[in-house]
Amino acid sequence: DQQVKQNSPSLSVQEGRISILNCDYTNSMFDYFLWYKKYPAEGPTFLISISSIKDKNEDGRFTVFLNKSAKHLSLHIVPSQPGDSAVYFCAARDTTSGTYKYIFGTGTRLKVLA
Amino acid sequence: NAGVTQTPKFQVLKTGQSMTLQCAQDMNHNSMYWYRQDPGMGLRLIYYSASEGTTDKGEVPNGYNVSRLNKREFSLRLESAAPSQTSVYFCASSASLSGIEKLFFGSGTQLSVL
Repeated sequence: DQQVKQNSPSLSVQEGRISILNCDYTNSMFDYFLWYKKYPAEGPTFLISISSIKDKNEDGRFTVFLNKSAKHLSLHIVPSQPGDSAVYFCAARDTTSGTYKYIFGTGTRLKVLA
Repeated sequence: NAGVTQTPKFQVLKTGQSMTLQCAQDMNHNSMYWYRQDPGMGLRLIYYSASEGTTDKGEVPNGYNVSRLNKREFSLRLESAAPSQTSVYFCASSASLSGIEKLFFGSGTQLSVL
């Protein structure tokens, strides 16, 4: 039972345009959300995060939006660059058991076309 | 400052063999995690440790054991490897830095079980 879902396995975007990656979750106990980027043969690297008490967080070209009522978050990349081509994972912090653990989605492969 | 270091980087095992994946972090983080990455499945949490001396099961713990040897080290053991355990394994540690929660990942261990 996937608690964090990324329903689009892949996405292609033209260079300079906006990339929008989506993520849905089911557990209302998730209180913090993170986005990670992963290149082949490397570990995931942190991109941006957002607390459940906020609805938007921005860092340079990256903006994350959180809609708690819909249990949905999205990552916007503007403008998209070829170097952004990678697999993107969203993750949620689960505090249900009293300790912190991070549950990841299945990932979206972004391809930015030059 | 090496961050999160995993050894080995590659390993081939025969079914039934045992091995231990090593992970160490030099950032003085309390929490550490083991994930596996499989095509179409994203990153799935195997075990985690909220602090030295404690470990908890994640989403897919069957067939694995872990040891939190000290604050720095968190090892993952496969007692009797199975082909279904062929995967890329990532170790991570987490911290809150300036109010931002982050997971820091190692570069991964690619394991094949024949």
